[in-house]
Amino acid sequence: KQEVTQIPAALSVPEGENLVLNCSFTDSAIYNLQWFRQDPGKGLTSLLLIQSSQREQTSGRLNASLDKSSGRSTLYIAASQPGDSATYLCAVRPFNTDKLIFGTGTRLQVFP
Amino acid sequence: DAEITQSPRHKITETGRQVTLACHQTWNHNNMFWYRQDLGHGLRLIHYSYGVQDTNKGEVSDGYSVSRSNTEDLPLTLESAASSQTSVYFCASRTSGTYEQYFGPGTRLTVT
Repeated sequence: KQEVTQIPAALSVPEGENLVLNCSFTDSAIYNLQWFRQDPGKGLTSLLLIQSSQREQTSGRLNASLDKSSGRSTLYIAASQPGDSATYLCAVRPFNTDKLIFGTGTRLQVFP
Repeated sequence: DAEITQSPRHKITETGRQVTLACHQTWNHNNMFWYRQDLGHGLRLIHYSYGVQDTNKGEVSDGYSVSRSNTEDLPLTLESAASSQTSVYFCASRTSGTYEQYFGPGTRLTVT
């Protein structure tokens, strides 16, 4: 059974720091991995999608990497800002299923 | 702009009542999903649909049903609401190309 773990569960940093959020999964047979952002009381916003054949994806200050063989993905946030404060979720899509398996998230707070 | 909407955003109901949560998307996506989000469990798949007249059970489908009469809508019905169904419900749809999922803003349901 695929399990997705995110470490740390919470993180508080001063503005300007570069951050790494971690996501690990137990079964490497995945179709893709997606990173989301969730603001309190709001829905999920898709940040980056990495196909299984890709190693990384970049969008602005965000860079996500995927190492399928080791079951790991990292989300790198450069020059963090208070507006980056949110919960970050990763989810994998196993082969032969349309189901996303979610981690429980990392709650990030960036203070001025 | 294309979007996905959910209604109501907040709902309080009594045990035993039937409740229907609406989901509407304007991307013309064939694939739509319902998830619930609970502390300690993350997001879990309830039901999904690949197109009109198609419905499939997810991992936590007991007590829920969906119907798909057109491409844009996938309403979720709780046949007889239970306190264990108090949760935040998210609807999502996805592209057929990259398999990226897009989420609605959520419905917070409280069953008293």
